[in-house]
Amino acid sequence: DIVMTQSPDSLAVSLGERATINCKSSQSVLYSSNNKNHLAWYQQKPGQPPKLLIYWASTRESGVPDRFSGSGSGTDFTLTISSLQAEDVAVYYCQQYNSIPPTFGQGTRLEIK
Amino acid sequence: VQLVESGGGVVQPGRSLRLSCEASGFTFRSSALHWVRQAPGKGLEWVAVISSDAGNKYYADSVKGRFTISRDNYKNTMYLQMNSLKSEDAAVYYCARDHPLAAGTMDYWGQGTLVTVSS
Repeated sequence: DIVMTQSPDSLAVSLGERATINCKSSQSVLYSSNNKNHLAWYQQKPGQPPKLLIYWASTRESGVPDRFSGSGSGTDFTLTISSLQAEDVAVYYCQQYNSIPPTFGQGTRLEIK
Repeated sequence: VQLVESGGGVVQPGRSLRLSCEASGFTFRSSALHWVRQAPGKGLEWVAVISSDAGNKYYADSVKGRFTISRDNYKNTMYLQMNSLKSEDAAVYYCARDHPLAAGTMDYWGQGTLVTVSS
């Protein structure tokens, strides 16, 4: 199975500042047939199910604010929130879907400083 | 799009439980579907996936041989039959739709149903 490791485990950022979350996979999730990275990001707020933010490592899901962006390739990926809003407080997960079983990172808790 | 899970509850170790996921708002028979679980205070763990026609099913190693995923495309409902339940199966179980543009990601999720395994 592909192991996904996120860093940091928790993060406190001031409102309006940039937040950066990293995700590393134990093997490449770049699929040669379509040259796409099979990497997604989810946001989970307390008491709610996860919400898909980004897929193909950098494609924003419909309706997701453009302050959320994803980058990276191969084994190293980043989720960036360009200007933190109060409603962004949540746990964020990366997920690879390059192979079965799909696997998630352990999560990164984002709080307001 | 709406996904509504049901069937959770308290069950003794070794017993069985069947979860249901009723879907609406999209063409159910065209979508693959997943079960994902989350133990209290823990992260997300993928459990199983079923293709749109039920021809392909895959399971996490942790549930293989004990859980069975199925669907009824006439009733717009997916199921998870859970047998020989263990304490480590206790979690909120979510059903989720496979993204139509990015197979393997999950674009819509239900609110989840809680399974408690306790004697």
